Amino acid sequence: DSGVTQTPKHLITATGQRVTLRCSPRSGDLSVYWYQQSLDQGLQFLIQYYNGEERAKGNILERFSAQQFPDLHSELNLSSLELGDSALYFCASSVGRKGGLNGYTFGSGTRLTVV
Amino acid sequence: ELKVEQNPLFLSMQEGKNYTIYCNYSTTSDRLYWYRQDPGKSLESLFVLLSNGAVKQEGRLMASLDTKARLSTLHITAAVHDLSATYFCAVNRRIISGSARQLTFGSGTQLTVLP
Repeated sequence: DSGVTQTPKHLITATGQRVTLRCSPRSGDLSVYWYQQSLDQGLQFLIQYYNGEERAKGNILERFSAQQFPDLHSELNLSSLELGDSALYFCASSVGRKGGLNGYTFGSGTRLTVV
Repeated sequence: ELKVEQNPLFLSMQEGKNYTIYCNYSTTSDRLYWYRQDPGKSLESLFVLLSNGAVKQEGRLMASLDTKARLSTLHITAAVHDLSATYFCAVNRRIISGSARQLTFGSGTQLTVLP
């Protein structure tokens, strides 16, 4: 157990639907990062939050949004889902806001299947 | 745009043999990470390399970083079957001056150790 908790582990939904993925960072970590892993795109950075505020955006689609709550857990919302959104979505956490001097800790991921 | 290239992408090796995985990146960075991923699982942190010339070893794996050459290597000594997995390098760089950092992953090297 890495200390980063992601739920649900698996999600199957239909095209056009909306889903929410949840992440609780490791205790003491203030930064949360979201990544998408697919066979054709590899591991892509989506977005980072630090202590409730958005810090950096990567290749995140406009249909996707995220937030970090006061208790530091984060949610990634995916809407108007398409078949191509099927992927493994990882959350990672780190202590600081400028990157992991001690590395980044990844959760076990949420496997999203859009049918 | 930062590009991170790993080679080889696929590697089959016999138990007991040595081999090196290479990670090249295109822009200046002083932080590089190596991760291991088993099929369908999370990313496990192996090494955090934070300076030029850094060398770290854990068991049969040794990682090094040459920031001037923009190159990191992951050397496998006397491979065993348990090392079969996909190995990713990731480079951490600032995306906005003095602000956030972004982790960019290589495509991964799928290692299979044969008996």
